[in-house]
Amino acid sequence: RKEVEQDPGPFNVPEGATVAFNCTYSNSASQSFFWYRQDCRKEPKLLMSVYSSGNEDGRFTAQLNRASQYISLLIRDSKLSDSATYLCVVNMDGGQFYFGTGTSLTVIP
Amino acid sequence: GAVVSQHPSWVICKSGTSVKIECRSLDFQATTMFWYRQFPKQSLMLMATSNEGSKATYEQGVEKDKFLINHASLTLSTLTVTSAHPEDSSFYICSARSVNTGELFFGEGSRLTVL
Repeated sequence: RKEVEQDPGPFNVPEGATVAFNCTYSNSASQSFFWYRQDCRKEPKLLMSVYSSGNEDGRFTAQLNRASQYISLLIRDSKLSDSATYLCVVNMDGGQFYFGTGTSLTVIP
Repeated sequence: GAVVSQHPSWVICKSGTSVKIECRSLDFQATTMFWYRQFPKQSLMLMATSNEGSKATYEQGVEKDKFLINHASLTLSTLTVTSAHPEDSSFYICSARSVNTGELFFGEGSRLTVL
């Protein structure tokens, strides 16, 4: 079983739409959680960390449900520049980072 | 912000040769670095965790004699793909974890093509 499972999409949404991505992780000992963004042929870049209380950064809201081992990312008012692959990342207590397969988002004009 | 430099960006080699990829943290110290491999349209797969001054920890299914990792200093880790074959062609990305903040920073990746 994979450490991190993610719906690969693709998600094609119009500008201004709200879109949500989900992710589940298999190891209950996972320590911390992140969403990364990866543009085509580029390295991943940190979008935001995910906290148990939920956290928001502008149009982006991340939530964590430890009981269900579930992470989500909500993007409001989608922009064309949001088009990318969004990677769910789980950090283990041994320090390893495991990535989901990524969810592809295309925002359409 | 913090930068991780990876070199070379592109490499083409003949089957059977060895290729070394360097990963440097330029303005921070990293006791731990990670090596990933990414095939087209797939996610990053963790290959190994590289710890400064000790042996790397390899993920299941990754051959440690095939992918040699050295982390001799707090700012440099190297991955050597030994006796490379066409199936080793992939995008290899390193990341370094800042000692101070714990944040993970990625190199720009190295695209390896084995002929």
